[in-house]
Amino acid sequence: AQTVTQSQPEMSVQEAETVTLSCTYDTSESDYYLFWYKQPPSRQMILVIRQEAYKQQNATENRFSVNFQKAAKSFSLKISDSQLGDAAMYFCASITSGTYKYIFGTGTRLKVLA
Amino acid sequence: DAGITQSPRHKVTETGTPVTLRCHQTENHRYMYWYRQDPGHGLRLIHYSYGVKDTDKGEVSDGYSVSRSKTEDFLLTLESATSSQTSVYFCAIRGGPANYGYTFGSGTRLTVV
Repeated sequence: AQTVTQSQPEMSVQEAETVTLSCTYDTSESDYYLFWYKQPPSRQMILVIRQEAYKQQNATENRFSVNFQKAAKSFSLKISDSQLGDAAMYFCASITSGTYKYIFGTGTRLKVLA
Repeated sequence: DAGITQSPRHKVTETGTPVTLRCHQTENHRYMYWYRQDPGHGLRLIHYSYGVKDTDKGEVSDGYSVSRSKTEDFLLTLESATSSQTSVYFCAIRGGPANYGYTFGSGTRLTVV
């Protein structure tokens, strides 16, 4: 079965610094997709970034980038120049191509210190 | 989020009563999902739908039922609410291939007393 693990329940970062959130996954499939979602205090879930497993190039969206290590089954999120608005819960998720269901990790709460 | 709404946003109910949560979308998307979010567990899938009247169970479906009689509406019913069903419930939709990701509703906070 597909699993997603986030081993850091909580992390802190100083404003303007860089932080990396970890995510590991386990799948026997070769065609799958990985995502990071952000959940601010408003409770709204927001898609931050996505990565197709067949792409070797790491995805980037402005200050957000991933380090995708397929052999190690690792998918970490790097936030550069952290801002107060980045404070949120961050969820890692995966889905196998051709299936219906996304599998979520347990989340990492990120605090941004002024 | 635009195109998907959940109602109610908050609800307090008594143990043993039935409760129905509604998810409404205007995107004409095929796939709809109900998740519950609990501290330490992340989001866990309750039920999902892949078309009108086509539904299937997720990993935590006991005590819940769903119905989808129209493309735009996906209802989640707690048949007899228990305190363990106190949670935040999210509806999500997906319109395209798996790599599209979800669009989420704003969630319903349900408290069972």
